[in-house]
Amino acid sequence: DAGVIQSPRHEVTEMGQEVTLRCKPISGHNSLFWYRQTMMRGLELLIYFNNNVPIDDSGMPEDRFSAKMPNASFSTLKIQPSEPRDSAVYFCASSPGQVNSPLHFGNGTRLTVT
Amino acid sequence: GESVGLHLPTLSVQEGDNSIINCAYSNSASDYFIWYKQESGKGPQFIIDIRSNMDKRQGQRVTVLLNKTVKHLSLQIAATQPGDSAVYFCAENFSGNTPLVFGKGTRLSVIA
Repeated sequence: DAGVIQSPRHEVTEMGQEVTLRCKPISGHNSLFWYRQTMMRGLELLIYFNNNVPIDDSGMPEDRFSAKMPNASFSTLKIQPSEPRDSAVYFCASSPGQVNSPLHFGNGTRLTVT
Repeated sequence: GESVGLHLPTLSVQEGDNSIINCAYSNSASDYFIWYKQESGKGPQFIIDIRSNMDKRQGQRVTVLLNKTVKHLSLQIAATQPGDSAVYFCAENFSGNTPLVFGKGTRLSVIA
């Protein structure tokens, strides 16, 4: 199994531009999570999906952030317009969806907004 | 490829010694706990988990101890190796199938 696949690995963009981060979860996993990691706040949950349906997006910072999961094998996290304070590493994780099962993380996308 | 901050608690151990990383969790109702290891430039990697009906669980070179009375979790690594150098996170889960809540992390530095 290739694990959770995220793209791109690095993204550098200018303030005001749209950014789209992509994630392919592990096949057969029913839950998908987007996290953001920064020096100041550590790992923060942004949003998670069960069976492609968004369950909790209370961690999404602002309306500039949106996430979709059009099918079981793909999810996107979009920031429009991006701001320098959005600079962070964004992780996608998936799990089988059963109670008390560990998350499997991708290697993240390092976003730098200048 | 640093993905975590400069202000994490740091534990330095000599290669071959045992390491103990501690974590205080927040919710007395939490019933599932996980330790993750994060190397530079990578995502957190699952190490070992434990449910609240246990107080100890062993894996390969690792042991997790759970003390529910004082809401404390620890990860013991036997015969620490340079490859164990990383940031270690504990995570807790409560209310069944809800997302994990992660601690701030501890940086383990192994001195060869």
